[in-house]
Amino acid sequence: DADVTQTPRNRITKTGKRIMLECSQTKGHDRMYWYRQDPGLGLRLIYYSFDVKDINKGEISDGYSVSRQAQAKFSLSLESAIPNQTALYFCATSDPLAGGLTDTQYFGPGTRLTVL
Amino acid sequence: KNEVEQSPQNLTAQEGEFITINCSYSVGISALHWLQQHPGGGIVSLFMLSSGKKKHGRLIATINIQEKHSSLHITASHPRDSAVYICAVMNYGGSQGNLIFGKGTKLSVKP
Repeated sequence: DADVTQTPRNRITKTGKRIMLECSQTKGHDRMYWYRQDPGLGLRLIYYSFDVKDINKGEISDGYSVSRQAQAKFSLSLESAIPNQTALYFCATSDPLAGGLTDTQYFGPGTRLTVL
Repeated sequence: KNEVEQSPQNLTAQEGEFITINCSYSVGISALHWLQQHPGGGIVSLFMLSSGKKKHGRLIATINIQEKHSSLHITASHPRDSAVYICAVMNYGGSQGNLIFGKGTKLSVKP
């Protein structure tokens, strides 16, 4: 079984709809991340969480919110989806080494979201 | 100017060729990551390094901190190596957890 799972894997929705993307992990990691990937732009950080009580905005958090329900679960919500939020979304986890600035990240399979 | 630049953007090689992908960055870093994104979209971490060189199978990653440059080499390339290779840096002193990603190098290895 995959260590980091994302649901759904694909989603098509309409402008203005509320969407939730879910991420679960069995790696026992405290740190979790949400990224989006757009063609030609590379991965960009939306939100990250270092533990259940710690939520931080990333580079492009506007239009998104997150919830860390448990160590293993980190959800990303689009309150009112718009077409330019069409992208590939990745969840990732990490387990810091020696102070936490160099930790390897483990990615989920991605969610392809299309907003019409 | 992007903080992480990769070259080339696209690379086509024949099976068996030696491949080099380059990554240059403009910020002080605590570590550099090389990631592989498969054609289906999945991303796996290949290397994390802060100095010197690391080797795993046919893959070799090197970093020169003074020159702010890293290279990923693939020896005896194979069609299954076809993927997008992504360089990412952890900005030293920056917001913890905030990796800065390059745009990726798309590699296609022809049989």
